[in-house]
Formats: sequence, C-alpha cells, structure tokens
Amino acid sequence: DVKVTQSSRYLVKRTGEKVFLECVQDMDHENMFWYRQDPGLGLRLIYFSYDVKMKEKGDIPEGYSVSREKKERFSLILESASTNQTSMYLCASKGPGNEKLFFGSGTQLSVL
Amino acid sequence: DQQVKQNSPSLSVQEGRISILNCDYTNSMFDYFLWYKKYPAEGPTFLISISSIKDKNEDGRFTVFLNKSAKHLSLHIVPSQPGDSAVYFCAARFSSGSARQLTFGSGTQLTVLP
Repeated sequence: DVKVTQSSRYLVKRTGEKVFLECVQDMDHENMFWYRQDPGLGLRLIYFSYDVKMKEKGDIPEGYSVSREKKERFSLILESASTNQTSMYLCASKGPGNEKLFFGSGTQLSVL
Repeated sequence: DQQVKQNSPSLSVQEGRISILNCDYTNSMFDYFLWYKKYPAEGPTFLISISSIKDKNEDGRFTVFLNKSAKHLSLHIVPSQPGDSAVYFCAARFSSGSARQLTFGSGTQLTVLP
C-alpha cells in the first residue's frame, strides 16, 4: 500500500512565524498535492506538483508556497503564518493513470 | 460558490439499516465522481467512483447512484455497520481532467449506532 507520511500531527505556531509542513510518499508518484480542510468547506487545493521542481497553484495559494526538490518529498511553506491559516492540512499523492488520491493523516495547525 | 454540495453535515443510522449520503453538483461538465471516507486522525481513503456513462456502480455493501439530469449522486451503504462511522466526501471532476481538478464537497459525518 502507498504510504504518505506527514511529519507532524499537531503544530502550534505564532502569528508571523515561518512554518514548514513536510510530506513524504514512498510509491514514486509524480503527482503530489496539498489541501486544507475546513468545516463546511471540504477539501480545497492549495498547490500541486507534477514533477520535481514543478508546481502549480491550486484554488487557494495565497499565503503559501511549496518546494519539491526530491520526488518523494513535497513541502508546504507558510511564509508568515496568520490566524486564518489555522486548519487541517492534508498531503496527497497520485500515480500515473490512477484516479485515486492517497492521503496522509493530516497536520492540524493552530496559529495563535 | 461551491460546485459540489453535501447539504447534510451529519447523518445517524441504526446498525443494519441503510445509510444514504447525498451529493449535488452544479457544473454539468462534471462527469466523473468519487467518494472518499475519512476516519478521525487519518487521511481520506478512496471508497468508490462512478463515470457519467453509468448510473450505478456497486462494490460490496457500497453502491453509488448518479442522476445526471438532476445533477445528483448518492452513496448507499447496506447494511450499515458501526465501522462505517466516518466523514464521507464526494468529489467531482471533468473526464478529461486530472486529479488536480477534483472539487470536493464539504463532507457528511455518518454515525452508525449499534
């Protein structure tokens, strides 16, 4: 089975801090995604990457950036955390010709 | 404006009975639909999908029905089991689209009572 690992289950940060959320997948998937999940809003795509060093903005990229230096690792960066970025962040990966997304267990980020 | 809507945030069902989770969409270009299940402290996992060339897809206790004219799909779980208690998300995309273009609903919390 595909394993998608997010480095932290819970994070508490202060407003203005730079925050790194890390995600690693073990199935050599080209495509990786970052979503945030908020009550009443479902999952919204922040960024996705279709190859090393390649990225595309999703639906809500403002305030975020990403890094994909290695195929297995996709990092989400909050340059200056704000309280409205308090959310559950979910990383996912997908192989070629496969419709299924494989998700990590999520990082609950609280920005105080 | 949300293009994929799950209007019931929660649903409670007795064990052994049928659970019906509903999902409506507004974009008539959507023609591939998926359901994901999410347990607490875990990521969503794929459950079942349906293409618009079908109106029904079945996998064990799970059946998804698609009514294109009404822009409505539903997930039926028969019989419901306590282990089915989870949040269920529906998602939709264009057939020519990639997973990048998935649009998710807001989710329905299903509780199956023993």
